[in-house]
Amino acid sequence: QVQLVQSGAEVRKPGASVKVSCKTSGYTFTRNAIHWVRQAPGQSLESLGWMHTGNGNRIYSQKFQGRVTFTRDTSASTAYMELSNLKFEDRAVYYCARANGSGSYLLDFWGQGTLVAVSP
Amino acid sequence: QSVLTQPPSVSGAPGQRVSISCTGSSSNIGSGYDVHWYKQLPGTAPKLLIYGNGNRPSGVPDRFSGSKSGTSASLAIAGLQAEDEADYYCQSYDSGLIGPVLFGGGTKVTVL
Repeated sequence: QVQLVQSGAEVRKPGASVKVSCKTSGYTFTRNAIHWVRQAPGQSLESLGWMHTGNGNRIYSQKFQGRVTFTRDTSASTAYMELSNLKFEDRAVYYCARANGSGSYLLDFWGQGTLVAVSP
Repeated sequence: QSVLTQPPSVSGAPGQRVSISCTGSSSNIGSGYDVHWYKQLPGTAPKLLIYGNGNRPSGVPDRFSGSKSGTSASLAIAGLQAEDEADYYCQSYDSGLIGPVLFGGGTKVTVL
């Protein structure tokens, strides 16, 4: 069965960077894009963008352009999201989600989420 | 403030029907982009509920239905049950400067 398993909670200081991993299984990794979505406490969902895991193309949401980087390791079927220059307002649960296809935004399977806290 | 507008909350008694609206604009829903809906229980990841405006993934009861018209979409829950109490989010795509993948602000459904 399709599974996305994310790395554990992280605590960083303002200005630091954090890298979250998303290990997938149960399907061919390079056939589906991986999206990254975050949710601040009590808030709605917010897209950071996505990565075509086959060709490596990345689409970043304008709000995060320049601060977020998506990478992947196809041999490990794992996607990564790195967010730099962290601010207090970046405290959120970060989710990876599989798109139903390479160019789709229909998210059919989700990781369990990774809490990123920013604390002085 | 989300570009896709949802009511913050709706409520209904068990067995009743409730509806959640998702209002967008000409650069997203009105441009023909599909709307998907997700259900989120407290402390858990969102789960796909409706895709392509009105299609249900396998395992989703037919009490849930979706529709789209113009610049808006809606999710209806018929025969409300206790396990339907959750947050619901619409999602679409935007061709403008914001996004491009957008989520609504979310609607909390309370079963009275």
